[in-house]
Amino acid sequence: NAGVTQTPKFQVLKTGQSMTLQCAQDMNHNSMYWYRQDPGMGLRLIYYSASEGTTDKGEVPNGYNVSRLNKREFSLRLESAAPSQTSVYFCASREGQGIEKLFFGSGTQLSVL
Amino acid sequence: EDQVTQSPEALRLQEGESSSLNCSYTVSGLRGLFWYRQDPGKGPEFLFTLYSAGEEKEKERLKATLTKKESFLHITAPKPEDSATYLCAVQAWTSGSARQLTFGSGTQLTVLP
Repeated sequence: NAGVTQTPKFQVLKTGQSMTLQCAQDMNHNSMYWYRQDPGMGLRLIYYSASEGTTDKGEVPNGYNVSRLNKREFSLRLESAAPSQTSVYFCASREGQGIEKLFFGSGTQLSVL
Repeated sequence: EDQVTQSPEALRLQEGESSSLNCSYTVSGLRGLFWYRQDPGKGPEFLFTLYSAGEEKEKERLKATLTKKESFLHITAPKPEDSATYLCAVQAWTSGSARQLTFGSGTQLTVLP
């Protein structure tokens, strides 16, 4: 029962470096999401994919790109990391239309120096 | 713009000392209100969905209630294992379709033995 798996769990980058956060779910969910969580702030949606082949911007998309590789996998890319992108990143998936129960991964803690 | 405010930010209780967490919200048309539990170093875990004022949901020592302006998460006779951050989120209707979730910043609950 893996659920939603994120890699890596921790990452330290220098300003300007790039990296990709990986996410995979084994629950056959159509919708997948990327959130960031910062101290004192609620989870904020970066990008989401309502179904395979589609992606849409969320509340804070600047500086990020996403790829819905297939139904299972949804990756988040930072092309040129900035200190403001230091955060904990969560991937989530959702069962289906009208059901807003999200299943979250365990997160990636990213520090940009 | 949808807004969610949770209070208090942090709460320390003695084991067995009942209390309530508050989630105040402002949305144009509520589709649903959600409670999640988040343990340190983990992703949020779904607890409840409430759809209309007057609705209540229960799970073990937790009971969630909903009014037109706020939701309460009542914790009865808490145990140390109830220690976690509790997140509230709302989803609103817009032009006949559902918006993405808006999360509050959470209440960090500590239950002392």
